Amino acid sequence: KAGVTQTPRYLIKTRGQQVTLSCSPISGHRSVSWYQQTPGQGLQFLFEYFSETQRNKGNFPGRFSGRQFSNSRSEMNVSTLELGDSALYLCASSLTTDTQYFGPGTRLTVL
Amino acid sequence: KNEVEQSPQNLTAQEGEFITINCSYSVGISALHWLQQHPGGGIVSLFMLSSGKKKHGRLIATINIQEKHSSLHITASHPRDSAVYICAIRQGATNKLIFGTGTLLAVQP
Repeated sequence: KAGVTQTPRYLIKTRGQQVTLSCSPISGHRSVSWYQQTPGQGLQFLFEYFSETQRNKGNFPGRFSGRQFSNSRSEMNVSTLELGDSALYLCASSLTTDTQYFGPGTRLTVL
Repeated sequence: KNEVEQSPQNLTAQEGEFITINCSYSVGISALHWLQQHPGGGIVSLFMLSSGKKKHGRLIATINIQEKHSSLHITASHPRDSAVYICAIRQGATNKLIFGTGTLLAVQP
C-alpha cells in the first residue's frame, strides 16, 4: 500500500502571497489531520477532516483553512502569508480514530 | 504549563544501553502516542496506548492512567535509534494530538 504523500515537498513564497498544500492519504483512510512544526512552537494541530467534514480545529487564525474531497484527499490553504508561517507542514491519515500515518511534509519558507 | 511534558529533553547513550524516556500529562486522555522523528522530518508512529504495556522489537511502551504517566524504553540501543522521540496525547473521539516537546536521543557507537 502506498503511504501518505504530500505535494509539493518544498515551497518558497513571499509575504502576502497565498499557498495551497496537498495531502493524499493511504487508500481507505477517511481521516486526514494537518500539523505545523516550527523550532519555536514544536508540533501543533491545525485541523482534522473526516469524510469531508472538519471534525476538529486547532488555535490558528482564519488565514489557515482546509478541505477534504470525496476521495479523502485533502488540501490546506494559507492566505496572506507571514514570515512566521515558515514551517514544516505535516499531514497524517488514519482509518478512524487510531494510529496516524504521517506524510513526509511540505517545508514552506516565507521570505 | 504545557499539557504534555517530556523528560529528558536531550539524552546521549552508548550503544547497548537501556534507555528510558518519560512523558507526563495533566488532562484526561483517550490515548497516548509515541512517535519517532528522524532528521529530515519524517514521523513514524511507534505506539498508541490507552492502558498497560506494548512491545515491538526492542521498544517497550507503558502507561499508568491513574498517575498520568507513560514511559518509552529502548533495550540494547543502537546508533540507528538516534532520533527525536515525541509523546502526544489524544482526547475524545477525534484525531487531534497534543504534543510534548520531544526528546533528542543520540546513541554513540
